[in-house]
Amino acid sequence: EDQVTQSPEALRLQEGESSSLNCSYTVSGLRGLFWYRQDPGKGPEFLFTLYSAGEEKEKERLKATLTKKESFLHITAPKPEDSATYLCAVRTSGTYKYIFGTGTRLKVLA
Amino acid sequence: GAVVSQHPSWVICKSGTSVKIECRSLDFQATTMFWYRQFPKQSLMLMATSNEGSKATYEQGVEKDKFLINHASLTLSTLTVTSAHPEDSSFYICSARTSGNNEQFFGPGTRLTVL
Repeated sequence: EDQVTQSPEALRLQEGESSSLNCSYTVSGLRGLFWYRQDPGKGPEFLFTLYSAGEEKEKERLKATLTKKESFLHITAPKPEDSATYLCAVRTSGTYKYIFGTGTRLKVLA
Repeated sequence: GAVVSQHPSWVICKSGTSVKIECRSLDFQATTMFWYRQFPKQSLMLMATSNEGSKATYEQGVEKDKFLINHASLTLSTLTVTSAHPEDSSFYICSARTSGNNEQFFGPGTRLTVL
């Protein structure tokens, strides 16, 4: 059965304290791994798409990487405005549906 | 680019009434639209997938007669919650993708409260 697991469930960081969020997946035929940011009471905001092992994408303080079993979202020198829930999702062959992980709630303290 | 809107952003209704939620892709043609439901501190749960001009495909456990989905054009899909009950209270989010693209772009969500 296709499965996506995110860890940790929640993370508190001091401003400037870099860290990584994990998204582990077990799927047959990966057709894309997606990272989204969701603020409370809002819809998810697209961040990155990764397709193959070794691929990396960067945007400001965020960097996403992909291996054959997991993806990491690295946050460098985070700021309070980076506080949000970060969701990863995968798309498998034969469908455009996503399988979402449960998310990581990130809180960055000033 | 890739902006998706939802209307209304929040709605309160009485038990037994029906509520319609609109999802529009503002600057692209949405080949496929998805409807999700999200409970507090939980991830998104896919309810159904709709393709323009055809019937929606519902996920297991989602009542198609209760959650009516219409995708009449390439920029508009609607979700109607019929005979709403308090347990239908939730955050409903739509997303859209266009042909040739992998990514789904999400609307801002609609908070439904059924009294």
